[in-house]
Amino acid sequence: NAGVTQTPKFQVLKTGQSMTLQCAQDMNHEYMSWYRQDPGMGLRLIHYSVGAGITDQGEVPNGYNVSRSTTEDFPLRLLSAAPSQTSVYFCASTIPGGGSEAFFGQGTRLTVV
Amino acid sequence: SQELEQSPQSLIVQEGKNLTINCTSSKTLYGLYWYKQKYGEGLIFLMMLQKGGEEKSHEKITAKLDEKKQQSSLHITASQPSHAGIYLCGADFGGNTPLVFGKGTRLSVIA
Repeated sequence: NAGVTQTPKFQVLKTGQSMTLQCAQDMNHEYMSWYRQDPGMGLRLIHYSVGAGITDQGEVPNGYNVSRSTTEDFPLRLLSAAPSQTSVYFCASTIPGGGSEAFFGQGTRLTVV
Repeated sequence: SQELEQSPQSLIVQEGKNLTINCTSSKTLYGLYWYKQKYGEGLIFLMMLQKGGEEKSHEKITAKLDEKKQQSSLHITASQPSHAGIYLCGADFGGNTPLVFGKGTRLSVIA
């Protein structure tokens, strides 16, 4: 089973460039979410989705856009990259209702110069 | 998140020693999840606790949730180099929202 797949694994951007981080899951999970991980900060929630067509903001949503057109995919868009967005990004998926672990992708390490 | 405090931030232990990591919530937990992350890699699920007073073990790792469901501890017995990594607790506060994570504990095990 592939689980949660994130692409790319590494990316370097110049300030002001745009890009999309891809996230796909093959477990038919309704819930998907994006986190960023910075040194000493743990995982902070950027955006999440409870189903196709539904998205909501997390703790640190500024500078990021998301959409959920299918159950399987939940891309994260950086419209104009800034050095403050240098981080490791994780996508996660789970079933609704709690009581089940969240499955994480392997992460995308993004550097904005 | 300030809703979830994890301690200590870092820990260096000698191989064979026991250690405990704590996770304290400002609100009642619907569930508490423990994950491990090896440096530069993704998160590996360890255990999930939902009931007050619940305790689970896997190999040499034991996790407990207190009766009030606001504090959890992760205990490693006879630590090994393979236990090294970052341990993260994640809280389910209900309301169909994703897990809220603590800042993590970086564990190093030295010979």
